[in-house]
Amino acid sequence: AQTVTQSQPEMSVQEAETVTLSCTYDTSENNYYLFWYKQPPSRQMILVIRQEAYKQQNATENRFSVNFQKAAKSFSLKISDSQLGDTAMYFCAFMDNNAGNMLTFGGGTRLMVKP
Amino acid sequence: GAVVSQHPSRVICKSGTSVKIECRSLDFQATTMFWYRQFPKQSLMLMATSNEGSKATYEQGVEKDKFLINHASLTLSTLTVTSAHPEDSSFYICSARRGGGRSNEQFFGPGTRLTVL
Repeated sequence: AQTVTQSQPEMSVQEAETVTLSCTYDTSENNYYLFWYKQPPSRQMILVIRQEAYKQQNATENRFSVNFQKAAKSFSLKISDSQLGDTAMYFCAFMDNNAGNMLTFGGGTRLMVKP
Repeated sequence: GAVVSQHPSRVICKSGTSVKIECRSLDFQATTMFWYRQFPKQSLMLMATSNEGSKATYEQGVEKDKFLINHASLTLSTLTVTSAHPEDSSFYICSARRGGGRSNEQFFGPGTRLTVL
């Protein structure tokens, strides 16, 4: 079974600065995807960024980028130029392509962006 | 595109009654839908996976007779909490996987808050 660990329950960052959220996972699979989801106070889950394990290049989406270290099974999220609207819970998630596309979520990191 | 709705968004019921939650994919056909449960300040826990036209697959520890899942069409899955008890109070979230294309992405509904008195 896969496990996903987010070691930072809470983090804070000043507006306009950069913050990195950590995520590690454990799997014996080679064909998988990794995701970061954002859950704002509305509780709607929003996909932030995705990474395919077979791609070595780190995914980027505007102010969001990841540092994917496959050998270390690490998948951190970097948020640049933090905005007040980035305040939310962030969940790292793992999907095994051979297991019915089920998502396994980490415990989450609560991010507070301070003005 | 890829919008998933849930109804109702909030429901309060008495202990012992049954509650049905609907999950609909509005602009795509969902071959697979997933049901999650989220307790306050916790992560999402997968309850079950439902495939259109077949029986749902439940995760370990989830009572299939208590949480009835029906996926009767490619756009609708329902979760019925039977004989609800206060400990069933939680936030229930569904997601839908679109068949074909980038089929590994799940699209989430806005969730349903269930309170059992």
